[in-house]
Amino acid sequence: GAGVSQSPRYKVAKRGQDVALRCDPISGHVSLFWYQQALGQGPEFLTYFQNEAQLDKSGLPSDRFFAERPEGSVSTLKIQRTQQEDSAVYLCASSLNSGRYNEQFFGPGTRLTVL
Amino acid sequence: DQQVKQNSPSLSVQEGRISILNCDYTNSMFDYFLWYKKYPAEGPTFLISISSIKDKNEDGRFTVFLNKSAKHLSLHIVPSQPGDSAVYFCAASTNTGNQFYFGTGTSLTVIP
Repeated sequence: GAGVSQSPRYKVAKRGQDVALRCDPISGHVSLFWYQQALGQGPEFLTYFQNEAQLDKSGLPSDRFFAERPEGSVSTLKIQRTQQEDSAVYLCASSLNSGRYNEQFFGPGTRLTVL
Repeated sequence: DQQVKQNSPSLSVQEGRISILNCDYTNSMFDYFLWYKKYPAEGPTFLISISSIKDKNEDGRFTVFLNKSAKHLSLHIVPSQPGDSAVYFCAASTNTGNQFYFGTGTSLTVIP
């Protein structure tokens, strides 16, 4: 069955480059989440979408981070002028409905390395 | 400021024995807790949850216990199987917003 997919799986960027990470949620899922997982840490919340609306972006660490979900399905996380501290695994998750009691299904993540 | 803590980075258990994974939290507003399991190169998968109105929830070999006064929860796996070898994350949320706060994970190894 089709789960959450993310691309690319691995990305190496030079410091200062812009990157775009893609998330394809499970079809029909209303909610979409982005997390950042640094080495040895747990996932940390970045932002949340309900359909195309970005309802919570309180976890985005700086204005270099931008996320969008223009048609309420595929989402892109963009990081401008990447820094070494941006190196992490970026996880996307989707859930069928809104609300925290709905199970989140995670993708495999994109491992970003900034040199 | 880590609001959810898993103080044991790793745990090894013999097959067939009980695995106990621990999690502590600091935010008294947390009222919903989850455990996730993660294999290498995969995203976390949901395992079991518990609401603060309960102190125990059981699903097959997995039981989660919640001690609200101690701000502590634990995951018991019995009997442990080699396929249970993975990293386990606990997560917590309040009744406002959609954020979940994750611990740093415990790597469980079940020895055949």
